[in-house]
Amino acid sequence: AQKITQTQPGMFVQEKEAVTLDCTYDTSDPSYGLFWYKQPSSGEMIFLIYQGSYDQQNATEGRYSLNFQKARKSANLVISASQLGDSAMYFCAMREWGNDYKLSFGAGTTVTVRA
Amino acid sequence: GAGVSQSPSNKVTEKGKDVELRCDPISGHTALYWYRQSLGQGLEFLIYFQGNSAPDKSGLPSDRFSAERTGGSVSTLTIQRTQQEDSAVYLCASSKPRTGGGVNTEAFFGQGTRLTVV
Repeated sequence: AQKITQTQPGMFVQEKEAVTLDCTYDTSDPSYGLFWYKQPSSGEMIFLIYQGSYDQQNATEGRYSLNFQKARKSANLVISASQLGDSAMYFCAMREWGNDYKLSFGAGTTVTVRA
Repeated sequence: GAGVSQSPSNKVTEKGKDVELRCDPISGHTALYWYRQSLGQGLEFLIYFQGNSAPDKSGLPSDRFSAERTGGSVSTLTIQRTQQEDSAVYLCASSKPRTGGGVNTEAFFGQGTRLTVV
């Protein structure tokens, strides 16, 4: 079964606008972590933001914030004030304590920022 | 080195030949992952090493694929009798130990090896 689901294969966003990337996950482990990575066309994988299952507040890192809805098992990434350099593929990932700490990735969402 | 190092960065091989891809993780990182990524696609999990535990090989697509990790550090992914469908970027990632890092420890990725089978 899919552990991480990203339903948006591609999105377009206007420069300076905000964009929300969806991510839902499936786990019965009470201890887990959720990650978002960015992969620009250069191919490198860049860690953006982390949310722990026990965290009471939504994670934020600069223009990135994570809308964590634990009961719905969703961890959507919000990018505010989009820039042209935000055009990339974005991956949601999860690590479960009980699953031997293994890191599982979603299929990714391609974001294209338009000037 | 400071980051995860993969070599070679590019490899072109003839169909039917064997190839070896190398990953040198960050020092002290006991968790090591191999993923495969076809052009414009997501990350396909291949194999996972965690400390001295038996590796999770559940993602290896066929018995032509194997991987080992020597001394808990460097890992080699071997593809025997390569096929054209093996052409992809092979990514390696490492992260801190489970006990020392916890679930909140991000994985660091290498630059990948682009494999082309002709």
